Amino acid sequence: SQQGEEDPQALSIQEGENATMNCSYKTSINNLQWYRQNSGRGLVHLILIRSNEREKHSGRLRVTLDTSKKSSSLLITASRAADTASYFCATEDSSYKLIFGSGTRLLVRP
Amino acid sequence: GAGVSQSPRYKVAKRGQDVALRCDPISGHVSLFWYQQALGQGPEFLTYFQNEAQLDKSGLPSDRFFAERPEGSVSTLKIQRTQQEDSAVYLCASSLVAAGYLYSNQPQHFGDGTRLSIL
Repeated sequence: SQQGEEDPQALSIQEGENATMNCSYKTSINNLQWYRQNSGRGLVHLILIRSNEREKHSGRLRVTLDTSKKSSSLLITASRAADTASYFCATEDSSYKLIFGSGTRLLVRP
Repeated sequence: GAGVSQSPRYKVAKRGQDVALRCDPISGHVSLFWYQQALGQGPEFLTYFQNEAQLDKSGLPSDRFFAERPEGSVSTLKIQRTQQEDSAVYLCASSLVAAGYLYSNQPQHFGDGTRLSIL
């Protein structure tokens, strides 16, 4: 079963615009991670935010975490056509399992 | 350096056949995971190895699924008497340290997966 839900399921934006994806989860977590998956490829790790952190930046990526609301957001600024992919959030609890959401399909139009 | 390598990339089998999927993790990585990804969905956990020990196989769908990592490096996922519902992408991931410890805030590194189609 999947832990979280991403919102929206699909997002289409123009190159240069910002893209925001949201993730909600159900149980207590140690950390939350965001991954990108290009069509036909494996997942690429983007960023990890620990449960005691509220915001984290990496290049054009900004992730927030609200443990009281059990939610996270991923912001991609100044999007590029190469950012077109599916984006998944995944939570890690006190075990070792990553529990993935169902993903957001992002299309960046040139 | 080399990433996680999976083979074959694509596998087509007839219902009832046995298949074996291989994963070569990043050298030195302690943890190895197998996931199953249905079309349009996120990956779902199948099983976890810490070195050669299979510590969790709770995600394996049935006793037709078997995984091993005999020397703590390469892993094989075997599916016996395949059925159509086994069609999916099977992803392998490895991580540097043993998961579940305090310092286990480590990302997992994924291979490109094996796309399995059962006819």
